[in-house]
Amino acid sequence: DTAVSQTPKYLVTQMGNDKSIKCEQNLGHDTMYWYKQDSKKFLKIMFSYNNKELIINETVPNRFSPKSPDKAHLNLHINSLELGDSAVYFCASSRLATDTQYFGPGTRLTVL
Amino acid sequence: TQLLEQSPQFLSIQEGENLTVYCNSSSVFSSLQWYRQEPGEGPVLLVTVVTGGEVKKLKRLTFQFGDARKDSSLHITAAQPGDTGLYLCAGPTVGGNKLTFGTGTQLKVEL
Repeated sequence: DTAVSQTPKYLVTQMGNDKSIKCEQNLGHDTMYWYKQDSKKFLKIMFSYNNKELIINETVPNRFSPKSPDKAHLNLHINSLELGDSAVYFCASSRLATDTQYFGPGTRLTVL
Repeated sequence: TQLLEQSPQFLSIQEGENLTVYCNSSSVFSSLQWYRQEPGEGPVLLVTVVTGGEVKKLKRLTFQFGDARKDSSLHITAAQPGDTGLYLCAGPTVGGNKLTFGTGTQLKVEL
């Protein structure tokens, strides 16, 4: 059983396009996150949700819009993609905000 | 901002060697977590250290939390190719609403 799953695994797209990444967790956690890992492997939080409510928005551009239809799902929609958006995006979940983070396998986004 | 600096940034060693990875900050953390990330996967928790001076062992991996809770180290004995990966430390921020991750140590263990 996959604990945190996200799709797609790879996403290659042109600048200016809009794309979405989906995430689901079956751990019963209340808190879900989106992280961005850059080419230097630095992992930085973008958003966190607790029970469908936005808790953290780390000064991410408005082009990024998370949506949580229920506490098991957290999707990420990105408008007007830019070259600098190329990175690996990880979804994660945890019981409480600073507890063990359970990460999905990542989505490698490449913007051409 | 609570920063976690890891050193070294890269480490390439032969199987059987020992190594130590460091995670340092000028800030005090209530706890620190260590994760390992293998290529193409997400990070996976190895251990959490909570008490200053605490030492935890996980088979050939030994984790230590500094007495002042500002630093931590990970020592691997007799490294194996399966230890290859990105090692990340992480700690809760002041206010406790998120984790801040360290800069990472990329380890490669060759036969």
